[in-house]
Amino acid sequence: NAGVTQTPKFRVLKTGQSMTLLCAQDMNHEYMYWYRQDPGMGLRLIHYSVGEGTTAKGEVPDGYNVSRLKKQNFLLGLESAAPSQTSVYFCASSYSRVGELFFGEGSRLTVL
Amino acid sequence: EDQVTQSPEALRLQEGESSSLNCSYTVSGLRGLFWYRQDPGKGPEFLFTLYSAGEEKEKERLKATLTKKESFLHITAPKPEDSATYLCAVSRQEANNLFFGTGTRLTVIP
Repeated sequence: NAGVTQTPKFRVLKTGQSMTLLCAQDMNHEYMYWYRQDPGMGLRLIHYSVGEGTTAKGEVPDGYNVSRLKKQNFLLGLESAAPSQTSVYFCASSYSRVGELFFGEGSRLTVL
Repeated sequence: EDQVTQSPEALRLQEGESSSLNCSYTVSGLRGLFWYRQDPGKGPEFLFTLYSAGEEKEKERLKATLTKKESFLHITAPKPEDSATYLCAVSRQEANNLFFGTGTRLTVIP
């Protein structure tokens, strides 16, 4: 049982480059989330989805876009990376609105 | 504005030395308070959900309690494998997300 899988696990970008983080869950969860975790800041919500084809903004959405074309996948995109986006990104899913969250292992992104 | 404050930031305990972690919160219309454990390089792992003041939940050496303003995570006779960062989070009624604190980093020394 894989749970929540994030790819890639590590990535280094130059300022201005674009990339996509992929999150896949095999638990048939409706709700999916993207968080970023920075030292001293705690986990902050970037975007979330309440079902296939839906997305919504969280606390810190600027500079990111998301898509949920399939129920099991939630993509996070950076169109023009900035050093301030250096962080560890976590995807999570849940079976109900604000139920127990199941997290992936994280994707560490460095923007030079 | 929702606010979650965890204390202490870091805690070192000898194996077997019981203690408590604190999570103070300010949120309008609390729906639930959550505790997670996070190991280095890993994603958070769910521990407990508490919904109302006076509620308690236990799991092995951990017990979580909730009042109207704070929650405690009590660790009884900790072992080195309990070393981790413990995160507290709250959700509001009608909200679709959790608001996290910055965590308490616990180290248990053999």
